[in-house]
Amino acid sequence: AQTVTQSQPEMSVQEAETVTLSCTYDTSESDYYLFWYKQPPSRQMILVIRQEAYKQQNATENRFSVNFQKAAKSFSLKISDSQLGDAAMYFCAYRTSYNNNDMRFGAGTRLTVKP
Amino acid sequence: DSGVTQTPKHLITATGQRVTLRCSPRSGDLSVYWYQQSLDQGLQFLIHYYNGEERAKGNILERFSAQQFPDLHSELNLSSLELGDSALYFCASSVGGQGNGGEQYFGPGTRLTVT
Repeated sequence: AQTVTQSQPEMSVQEAETVTLSCTYDTSESDYYLFWYKQPPSRQMILVIRQEAYKQQNATENRFSVNFQKAAKSFSLKISDSQLGDAAMYFCAYRTSYNNNDMRFGAGTRLTVKP
Repeated sequence: DSGVTQTPKHLITATGQRVTLRCSPRSGDLSVYWYQQSLDQGLQFLIHYYNGEERAKGNILERFSAQQFPDLHSELNLSSLELGDSALYFCASSVGGQGNGGEQYFGPGTRLTVT
């Protein structure tokens, strides 16, 4: 079974600095998708970034980028120039490419941004 | 705003009661997914409907059921409620049912409190 592990329950970063959130996953599949979702205090789940496993290039969305290491089954999220609005729970998620509904989430990392 | 709507926003009820949560997917999306998020935990997949048909079940209790109607909105029915059912219930939608890479877009959630 596929599992997603986020080993950092809480992280803290100074405003304007860079922070990296870790995520590892376990799968026997070769083709799959990985996601980072942000959940601010409003509790809305917001898609931050997505990575297709068959793509070697790391995905980037403005200040958010990932370090995808397929062999190591690692998918970390880097937030550059952190802003107060980045404070939220961040969830890493995995989904196989053949089963759109089999989405597995990690337990989350709570990110605090200090002014 | 993801385009996915959920009602009600909050629901408070007593143990043993039955409630219905409603979800309207984004325009054009045929799939609806239900997730449960207990306090400070990750999301647990409950059930997936595609174009009116049940596609997959996750960790859904027998006391819970769902359906998707011809207009594609979905309802999640929770019966014989217990204190442990208190959680945030998310609905998500995507374009396809299986095998595609469509992201799941999440609604704002319904917070259920069982007293």
